[in-house]
Amino acid sequence: KAGVTQTPRYLIKTRGQQVTLSCSPISGHRSVSWYQQTPGQGLQFLFEYFSETQRNKGNFPGRFSGRQFSNSRSEMNVSTLELGDSALYLCASSLVLAQNNEQFFGPGTRLTVL
Amino acid sequence: AQTVTQSQPEMSVQEAETVTLSCTYDTSESDYYLFWYKQPPSRQMILVIRQEAYKQQNATENRFSVNFQKAAKSFSLKISDSQLGDAAMYFCAYRSASGGSQGNLIFGKGTKLSVKP
Repeated sequence: KAGVTQTPRYLIKTRGQQVTLSCSPISGHRSVSWYQQTPGQGLQFLFEYFSETQRNKGNFPGRFSGRQFSNSRSEMNVSTLELGDSALYLCASSLVLAQNNEQFFGPGTRLTVL
Repeated sequence: AQTVTQSQPEMSVQEAETVTLSCTYDTSESDYYLFWYKQPPSRQMILVIRQEAYKQQNATENRFSVNFQKAAKSFSLKISDSQLGDAAMYFCAYRSASGGSQGNLIFGKGTKLSVKP
């Protein structure tokens, strides 16, 4: 079974632009979570989607948004990019929103904002 | 709010030896889950081991085991017979078992483990 895939793997943007990152979960998984990883702040939760609905959101500004499609694929969008948005963005999928389900992570998208 | 603290930014171990990575957490909840994740240089995060707070028995997965001390809010990871492939960043993580935050993993800052041949 294929793992979690994220596209693109690397991205370079300039300040003020917007960007869309994509995540395809493991087949059959319905929950997708997004995390931002930076050297300074570590791993921080962005949001979680289940059955096309946002279930939980982390403490990020409104410039960060996401959505989930009927096939469970998810996208996250960052508008008006800032230098501080440079990070590794990780997507994780899980089967359902059970309390003890395992999250499987993708390889991440490395975003660089110049 | 829950927090996770890993006090050892870097650790080193000799191949075949045993190493213990520390993790403490702060929560007012009684029901939660704890995890150790490994992130090798290739960056794909993988689950190493998990522990349910309501279980007193420490989790074990082959060479990996935990020492879960609920009262002390401590959750250390022991790696036995260390191998070169164990070299990675290790993250301790917490997840609440209640409410709408079930998918929200709270991570520590990580411990970089080096394995010397």
